Amino acid sequence: DGGITQSPKYLFRKEGQNVTLSCEQNLNHDAMYWYRQDPGQGLRLIYYSQIVNDFQKGDIAEGYSVSREKKESFPLTVTSAQKNPTAFYLCASTSGRMAGEVTAKNIQYFGAGTRLSVL
Amino acid sequence: AQSVSQHNHHVILSEAASLELGCNYSYGGTVNLFWYVQYPGQHLQLLLKYFSGDPLVKGIKGFEAEFIKSKFSFNLRKPSVQWSDTAEYFCAVNAPNSGGYQKVTFGIGTKLQVIP
Repeated sequence: DGGITQSPKYLFRKEGQNVTLSCEQNLNHDAMYWYRQDPGQGLRLIYYSQIVNDFQKGDIAEGYSVSREKKESFPLTVTSAQKNPTAFYLCASTSGRMAGEVTAKNIQYFGAGTRLSVL
Repeated sequence: AQSVSQHNHHVILSEAASLELGCNYSYGGTVNLFWYVQYPGQHLQLLLKYFSGDPLVKGIKGFEAEFIKSKFSFNLRKPSVQWSDTAEYFCAVNAPNSGGYQKVTFGIGTKLQVIP
């Protein structure tokens, strides 16, 4: 089955530690996204990547880093600089690169999420 | 910058009641509009979308939404809810940003609880 796989499902971070959340897709989608979901705040965009080896900051990129070395993979690192990391993290992808005319390629497909907590 | 407002943060309904969830956005140009749903323990998934054409769009499970351009609204409706509709619903708008790309902005979500 095609889809987006996020791992782990639950993750615990110690003070001062960096942790990496995995996101893999086998949909052959060009663009990938990371969102953070907090109660009462909806989804906020952390980083996005339109193509391999390219990524852009979203609205709340501070304390996070990403890489896009392969089309199918877009890992997110939550660094020790992120002072409030406890949240539900969602990865998404779209077949289109979100440039130019808005089309059906802009529908986002989501993974099941990773819930990050601080010990 | 575009924004999305969802007016009802927590809605409780009895089964068979009618549902309307409000969504307003703040962008004056061409937009795509979406409603996503997150059932307990499941992926966020697309419920319905508007790209162009008929402003009344129908989605899965009997949901529909109406795009009213003059009101910048895209309200979600269902004539008769079921217990299985208990979920969190997110309105989203896709619009061009200043960098030439499109950006999807989500509302804060509405938690719907349907009581049997």
